Amino acid sequence: ETGVTQSPTHLIKTRGQQVTLRCSSQSGHNTVSWYQQALGQGPQFIFQYYREEENGRGNFPPRFSGLQFPNYSSELNVNALELDDSALYLCASSFGTAHNSPLHFGNGTRLTVT
Amino acid sequence: RKEVEQDPGPFNVPEGATVAFNCTYSNSASQSFFWYRQDCRKEPKLLMSVYSSGNEDGRFTAQLNRASQYISLLIRDSKLSDSATYLCVVSSPSGGYNKLIFGAGTRLAVHP
Repeated sequence: ETGVTQSPTHLIKTRGQQVTLRCSSQSGHNTVSWYQQALGQGPQFIFQYYREEENGRGNFPPRFSGLQFPNYSSELNVNALELDDSALYLCASSFGTAHNSPLHFGNGTRLTVT
Repeated sequence: RKEVEQDPGPFNVPEGATVAFNCTYSNSASQSFFWYRQDCRKEPKLLMSVYSSGNEDGRFTAQLNRASQYISLLIRDSKLSDSATYLCVVSSPSGGYNKLIFGAGTRLAVHP
């Protein structure tokens, strides 16, 4: 069984730039959720993708966007980067969207915006 | 008010101690509850689901009180390897889907 993999591991960007983060879901999982975790905080829900459609969204501006592909892998895109976007970005996959489906997380991408 | 609130700690305990973490949630329509463990600079990992009747997994016991909207995690006979941040997680319905909401976490440091 292949777990959730994310790339890149670390990334440094300048304010105003754009970034794309990638995630491959665990085999057999069809749902991908993205979270942002600032230092000392719990993960904050960005959005969820199910069957290639955005299935729900947290309190993040439109410059945070995403995609899910037919193989269930996913991308998170952030435009016009701000200093506060510096955080650990976590991708998590699950099977289905039921309330009792636990999430399986990837190692995360640590983004630094300077 | 935050949707999921936890005591941030840190809890500093000696090996062998029993420690309890508490968590409250604000949405009474929440349906599922979990505890995740996160090691420093690592991803969160599922520790256990929390069931209405309470459940135990080895040294770990989770309790849920729906009336008080309160979740707890008890760790008995603490080990050095239990040192981590423990995240309380609640699944809440939101606009036709279920959103997992994380607390800020409670830090545990177990010392010799």
